[in-house]
Amino acid sequence: GEDVEQSLFLSVREGDSSVINCTYTDSSSTYLYWYKQEPGAGLQLLTYIFSNMDMKQDQRLTVLLNKKDKHLSLRIADTQTGDSAIYFCAYQRDTGFQKLVFGTGTRLLVSP
Amino acid sequence: DTEVTQTPKHLVMGMTNKKSLKCEQHMGHRAMYWYKQKAKKPPELMFVYSYEKLSINESVPSRFSPECPNSSLLNLHLHALQPEDSALYLCASSQDTGYTFGSGTRLTVV
Repeated sequence: GEDVEQSLFLSVREGDSSVINCTYTDSSSTYLYWYKQEPGAGLQLLTYIFSNMDMKQDQRLTVLLNKKDKHLSLRIADTQTGDSAIYFCAYQRDTGFQKLVFGTGTRLLVSP
Repeated sequence: DTEVTQTPKHLVMGMTNKKSLKCEQHMGHRAMYWYKQKAKKPPELMFVYSYEKLSINESVPSRFSPECPNSSLLNLHLHALQPEDSALYLCASSQDTGYTFGSGTRLTVV
């Protein structure tokens, strides 16, 4: 199946860490992505991870992948008000021109 | 140029109108996509073009007609739409991994 689930909402204070979780059912997912969508805007690719990796760090972003449990997470360190947005995890099965399957999206609200 | 450009940004059309959405990229990506996104929902794939040929049609109604005139351009022709077709229409392109999305066209059908 293509189910990709995320919690609907996360609220944090500025300066705290945020952790956004994603669970998926398709074991053939090869590339997993995190996208950010601000109100009225398109999707911005934040980071991605190959399925043979456990962790990837990119400045304030840390992606953890537990392939056995089909669980993906995105940690944002020192969260800022500008990080407030909807975050989508997504996967594709292979390289090339494949569809992206998106999660349900998590709305992150960062308060001062 | 690392962007996908979509025009227009906003479009209001009647149910008897014919209109077109346009998408352009100059990154040399050989795949281009149309996604539809309803409010508070994730994007859903409509069409995939690879090497200018339609490779995936996700059972989209024929009132949506895609066209890929060349490797940089992707159009979506709209005809006889319904109010429930109102949504954000996103174009994307890719080469290997990492899709680049445009900022979308917000379509309202009245």
